[in-house]
Amino acid sequence: AQSVAQPEDQVNVAEGNPLTVKCTYSVSGNPYLFWYVQYPNRGLQFLLKYITGDNLVKGSYGFEAEFNKSQTSFHLKKPSALVSDSALYFCAVRDKSDTSGTYKYIFGTGTRLKVLA
Amino acid sequence: KAGVTQTPRYLIKTRGQQVTLSCSPISGHRSVSWYQQTPGQGLQFLFEYFSETQRNKGNFPGRFSGRQFSNSRSEMNVSTLELGDSALYLCASRPTSGVLPAGEQYFGPGTRLTVT
Repeated sequence: AQSVAQPEDQVNVAEGNPLTVKCTYSVSGNPYLFWYVQYPNRGLQFLLKYITGDNLVKGSYGFEAEFNKSQTSFHLKKPSALVSDSALYFCAVRDKSDTSGTYKYIFGTGTRLKVLA
Repeated sequence: KAGVTQTPRYLIKTRGQQVTLSCSPISGHRSVSWYQQTPGQGLQFLFEYFSETQRNKGNFPGRFSGRQFSNSRSEMNVSTLELGDSALYLCASRPTSGVLPAGEQYFGPGTRLTVT
């Protein structure tokens, strides 16, 4: 079965420093990978996705993610963290399609990012 | 375009009661998915509706049910509430490609359900 793992419950980083939020995946076939962010009292917002092509994917708010097939990872990165980046981040993988041709998403347990001023 | 809306935003119920949550997708989106979010489990997929038909289902008991109307609005019902049902319930809509849902999901703000 497809799955994603976010090994860190929380990541702390100083403002201005680079940040990395880790995600590893387990899929059969080609992975479709996503990152979402959740701010307090809000739903999830789409950040970026990897379907195919370049291993470095650029997304919203200056975030990017690096797809590494050999390490089965899809880590989220940002060169310079802002206090306003503090939020809950979710990695997700698209599951295999079923007989109806549709598919569902499987989410990780989330990583809380705290950017310290 | 207006985003995904969910009502109510907050709800307090007692064990044994039932509850109905509502979700209105982005205009033009015909797919609505429901998720349960809890601190320990992250997001757990409940089910997806597309064109008034349930297309996918997660591993939740039959107490959790849903439906979708012809205008794509969806409702989720939980019967015989248990303390463990306390969670943030999120719905998400996505656009259609051809005759199937496709693309990334757009989430609503959620309904915070507390069962006492």
